[in-house]
Amino acid sequence: SQQGEEDPQALSIQEGENATMNCSYKTSINNLQWYRQNSGRGLVHLILIRSNEREKHSGRLRVTLDTSKKSSSLLITASRAADTASYFCATAMDSNYQLIWGAGTKLIIKP
Amino acid sequence: AAGVIQSPRHLIKEKRETATLKCYPIPRHDTVYWYQQGPGQDPQFLISFYEKMQSDKGSIPDRFSAQQFSDYHSELNMSSLELGDSALYFCASTLGLAVDSYNEQFFGPGTRLTVL
Repeated sequence: SQQGEEDPQALSIQEGENATMNCSYKTSINNLQWYRQNSGRGLVHLILIRSNEREKHSGRLRVTLDTSKKSSSLLITASRAADTASYFCATAMDSNYQLIWGAGTKLIIKP
Repeated sequence: AAGVIQSPRHLIKEKRETATLKCYPIPRHDTVYWYQQGPGQDPQFLISFYEKMQSDKGSIPDRFSAQQFSDYHSELNMSSLELGDSALYFCASTLGLAVDSYNEQFFGPGTRLTVL
């Protein structure tokens, strides 16, 4: 079964609002990464949070990690139309370094 | 800064043909990963190489093979192409497997393969 599961599957908000996406996973991890993918384009790495970190910021992005609940959230503040994309979480597990991916959240920012 | 380079960016093949995708990792990166992303699907791990040796293998069909060369670039060879092989193929690179377990994977732009 999938390691990372994201919710919601789709999210539509007005420009300027904040968008929150969640990711849950099943096994212990070394780190969790968030990626963005615009329609038909490549994956873009957004941010990585390590298993010993609880919160991390990068520009308008805020990521939290709760290892006790095996979950992470990605918050995008002051959303823009250009943020419209699919957002994936991916986990790197203890024993290997391949990324295990969630199914993604499709985010639509309405102007 | 230099990024992961993939070529070609787009490839159109017919059924039963062969295709070769190339990946050039970030300079000094010695580990390469290949992923396949079908339409509307999440990326699936195919195979990875560390220091020119296969380090891990995912759901890669027997018709596919890959290798990493002395300059650390990697090639994914696909034979007897099927319609279902149409997908985005991503390559990612990292520096090393051991020691630092928090390595980030840096992704290339992907090769879009269309099988007709």
